[in-house]
Amino acid sequence: KAGVTQTPRYLIKTRGQQVTLSCSPISGHRSVSWYQQTPGQGLQFLFEYFSETQRNKGNFPGRFSGRQFSNSRSEMNVSTLELGDSALYLCASSLASGVTYEQYFGPGTRLTVT
Amino acid sequence: QQPVQSPQAVILREGEDAVINCSSSKALYSVHWYRQKHGEAPVFLMILLKGGEQKGHDKISASFNEKKQQSSLYLTASQLSYSGTYFCGTETKAAGNKLTFGGGTRVLVKP
Repeated sequence: KAGVTQTPRYLIKTRGQQVTLSCSPISGHRSVSWYQQTPGQGLQFLFEYFSETQRNKGNFPGRFSGRQFSNSRSEMNVSTLELGDSALYLCASSLASGVTYEQYFGPGTRLTVT
Repeated sequence: QQPVQSPQAVILREGEDAVINCSSSKALYSVHWYRQKHGEAPVFLMILLKGGEQKGHDKISASFNEKKQQSSLYLTASQLSYSGTYFCGTETKAAGNKLTFGGGTRVLVKP
């Protein structure tokens, strides 16, 4: 089955601009999570969506937002970009069924803010 | 609060064993373990839930010690493919069940 896809893979933006990243989960997975990874702060949880509802949100400013569509595809948006937003943004889709849990990450979107 | 992983790095010979610890200052609800190779996305290894049993993924297993607020990942008879950075992610009620990651443990398995 197809894996998690993220678009675009690479992005260069200027401070003050906004950006939208997209994530298509594995077919049948209704939960999508977003993470930010930087050398300084490591891996940080951004948000989790399940069936179009935000189930949890990390400690990020309101400039970071997301949504999930009825087909489980998800987008995250960062407005008024700052240099510190340069990072690898990872999306993961997951499925919990009974005692089984599986989670797969997409390849990530590398965002550079100049 | 971020869980603390130890050691920060470990070098092994193929076939050797290693243990990576993940300690939380708050009562744990769940612990997730991941491995990430350089330039790649993390790979989910396993999840351990409060009250759950020890899990395994090939020759990699993990335990959850509720009393110690700690999880340990065991790399048994390590293979070259085990090289990478291992992260634990913890969910605690105190943090609103938001997944919080440790700083990672770099593992290098040499032939």
